[in-house]
Amino acid sequence: SQQGEEDPQALSIQEGENATMNCSYKTSINNLQWYRQNSGRGLVHLILIRSNEREKHSGRLRVTLDTSKKSSSLLITASRAADTASYFCATGLNYGGATNKLIFGTGTLLAVQP
Amino acid sequence: DAMVIQNPRYQVTQFGKPVTLSCSQTLNHNVMYWYQQKSSQAPKLLFHYYDKDFNNEADTPDNFQSRRPNTSFCFLDIRSPGLGDAAMYLCATSSPPRGNTQYFGPGTRLTVL
Repeated sequence: SQQGEEDPQALSIQEGENATMNCSYKTSINNLQWYRQNSGRGLVHLILIRSNEREKHSGRLRVTLDTSKKSSSLLITASRAADTASYFCATGLNYGGATNKLIFGTGTLLAVQP
Repeated sequence: DAMVIQNPRYQVTQFGKPVTLSCSQTLNHNVMYWYQQKSSQAPKLLFHYYDKDFNNEADTPDNFQSRRPNTSFCFLDIRSPGLGDAAMYLCATSSPPRGNTQYFGPGTRLTVL
């Protein structure tokens, strides 16, 4: 079964507003990552937060991680039309070597109206 | 620019006709992954290579196989495509000793007629 569930499934906002997406997962993790996917394209890595971190920032992105609740949130501030995409959380698990396995959540489709 | 390249971007095949999808990378990463992503769903890992070591996910159908002849290239072979195999196939790479981020190619959209 999928590791992550995202909420909401779809979000429509106006340009300039903030967008918040939530992700819940089921098992212990090494890290949690967020990826963006434009329609019909590959995924682009946005940000990684390790299991011992609680908050991380990158430009207009803010990610929080609560390992006790097994949840994470992604906040995009001052959204732009170009932020329109699907956003996936992915939990990083070790295979037992150096390889990191990603289990993706169900995704949030964000539409930013100009 | 270093990148992950997938060819072709769009592939149409007939039911039961073998098809091969290609991925190449200029990042010199140890690990290459293949994911299947069906419409409006999350990417699902099929298998990965750590250098030449092949790792198959438990629920990957036998119909799917992979080859990695060298560091730069990795192929996904679908022996007898069914209608249910129509999907976007994503290739990704990572270099574990330096981080856990995966770098994705643009994907190949497979249509099965």
